[in-house]
Amino acid sequence: KNEVEQSPQNLTAQEGEFITINCSYSVGISALHWLQQHPGGGIVSLFMLSSGKKKHGRLIATINIQEKHSSLHITASHPRDSAVYICAAFSGGGADGLTFGKGTHLIIQP
Amino acid sequence: NAGVTQTPKFQVLKTGQSMTLQCAQDMNHEYMSWYRQDPGMGLRLIHYSVGAGITDQGEVPNGYNVSRSTTEDFPLRLLSAAPSQTSVYFCASGRTGAGTEAFFGQGTRLTVV
Repeated sequence: KNEVEQSPQNLTAQEGEFITINCSYSVGISALHWLQQHPGGGIVSLFMLSSGKKKHGRLIATINIQEKHSSLHITASHPRDSAVYICAAFSGGGADGLTFGKGTHLIIQP
Repeated sequence: NAGVTQTPKFQVLKTGQSMTLQCAQDMNHEYMSWYRQDPGMGLRLIHYSVGAGITDQGEVPNGYNVSRSTTEDFPLRLLSAAPSQTSVYFCASGRTGAGTEAFFGQGTRLTVV
């Protein structure tokens, strides 16, 4: 069973700061998802990646398959980025679902 | 385009009652799944389906039942609710599997008293 660990669990930063959230997993994967959950509870997919790097606006996701590690970066952070960020790994085969980290609770203060 | 629609948004049940959480998607996705989210834990897979007529168990299937009679709908049934099933439930879909982009419903907050 894949174990997915996220760090930090909680992060408070000032508006404008560069944010990094880390995700590591124990078993090789086919894909890794980064998700955002706002205080209202809904979950939105930010990225799905299996190698390299993806960028969308101020968000950047990277993955290192050899090191079993992924990072989510937020540049020029804004209070509206405050949310819980969740990584989820898909190993493929067997139980065909995602294994989730516990999430990183991010607060950006103005 | 509604995406994934989950109902109800909130529900309170008494122990022993049964109910069905509804999930529908309009994206013609083959893959649908149900997760539960509990404090201090990551989301956990309850059941999933890779197409109409095909369902399988996830990590925490006990006490739950699913069926997939159409591509669009994937209801989750609680057979006899227990306080341990108090949780937030999310339905999700993907084009062909969990390795494709995931689309989530808004969640159902269920309390069993």
